[in-house]
Amino acid sequence: EAQVTQNPRYLITVTGKKLTVTCSQNMNHEYMSWYRQDPGLGLRQIYYSMNVEVTDKGDVPEGYKVSRKEKRNFPLILESPSPNQTSLYFCASATSKEGTDTQYFGPGTRLTVL
Amino acid sequence: RKEVEQDPGPFNVPEGATVAFNCTYSNSASQSFFWYRQDCRKEPKLLMSVYSSGNEDGRFTAQLNRASQYISLLIRDSKLSDSATYLCVVNIKGYSTLTFGKGTMLLVSP
Repeated sequence: EAQVTQNPRYLITVTGKKLTVTCSQNMNHEYMSWYRQDPGLGLRQIYYSMNVEVTDKGDVPEGYKVSRKEKRNFPLILESPSPNQTSLYFCASATSKEGTDTQYFGPGTRLTVL
Repeated sequence: RKEVEQDPGPFNVPEGATVAFNCTYSNSASQSFFWYRQDCRKEPKLLMSVYSSGNEDGRFTAQLNRASQYISLLIRDSKLSDSATYLCVVNIKGYSTLTFGKGTMLLVSP
């Protein structure tokens, strides 16, 4: 089954404790992206990647890092999480290399930073 | 500017009703348009792309008006299962990203 998976699905952590949210897709897509979704603000892009070892900032990259060492994986790293990073996070991959066509989203990771 | 604007709703309609949502976009370089559906606390899923000539998929019809810079989604014969948030999504030429509206909530009641 074609899908995007994320882990963990739920996470409660404390300020400053480094964490990684994994994302994996089995559709051989070159384009992958991370979004956060907050009430009243909608979906905002954090980072995206158009290929292995190619990453670019989205609209809200501060406080986040990503890496793209393999085509199928695109982990999101929070080196020192803060309470304002409490949010619902979605990973997505896209059929087009530029990410301008259909995007397939993972199930989401609900993160709470205390 | 990359803004995409939607009425947040909620739109409350009875089963069987016809309902329409509009979405305006500010950047005239926008070149691709989509409607996504998002159920509560779930991931967004593509509902349909929007083509210049307008397109229909069952009970759903999407229209694009480039002159006025808006797209619309019409849902006929609403079902309870149509209750969700509908996201208007735009790609702007030259950007390798999609810009999402904040969504319009639809509630269909028996």
